[in-house]
Amino acid sequence: DVKVTQSSRYLVKRTGEKVFLECVQDMDHENMFWYRQDPGLGLRLIYFSYDVKMKEKGDIPEGYSVSREKKERFSLILESASTNQTSMYLCASSLATQGHDGYTFGSGTRLTVV
Amino acid sequence: EDKVVQSPLSLVVHEGDTVTLNCSYEVTNFRSLLWYKQEKKAPTFLFMLTSSGIEKKSGRLSSILDKKELFSILNITATQTGDSAIYLCAVEVQGAQKLVFGQGTRLTINP
Repeated sequence: DVKVTQSSRYLVKRTGEKVFLECVQDMDHENMFWYRQDPGLGLRLIYFSYDVKMKEKGDIPEGYSVSREKKERFSLILESASTNQTSMYLCASSLATQGHDGYTFGSGTRLTVV
Repeated sequence: EDKVVQSPLSLVVHEGDTVTLNCSYEVTNFRSLLWYKQEKKAPTFLFMLTSSGIEKKSGRLSSILDKKELFSILNITATQTGDSAIYLCAVEVQGAQKLVFGQGTRLTINP
């Protein structure tokens, strides 16, 4: 069964800490995405990547960066965590070709910044 | 700016009821509309719609797209407690290879 795996299910970090959220997919998908999900706001795109070492800003990239050194791994980095980054973070991947049936999501990482 | 709006944001019904969830969109260059179900973990894919008027069906769930009026509905008949979840609507923009999501509808089915 194909999978997108996020390394942590729950994470608690202190304000100002550097935080790494890891995502690995085993489907050989070209595209990978990071979203955050907040009540009443739905999923908002932070960053995405079409290929190794490529990255594109999404709708809310401020305070975040990403790294894609290998095709299967896409990391989200909070350079200096703040309380307004407390959220559910979802990673997803998809094929680059047309006609795909959407994304495959990871189970999410619930991050609390105190 | 591309936008997807779902309604209602929250819905509570009794087991056995039929529910209709709504999704409207405004995007620059529409390619497809997708529905996902999210329980406690990862959203799972339900339907992808690309053509107007063609109903997609899976068991008690069905969905249809109206590209003229720019909306889609997701119907669930004979609801069960296992249908309790957040239902997400997303639109794929042509050439962008990314999805624009609505806020989600939190559906609660009471026994």
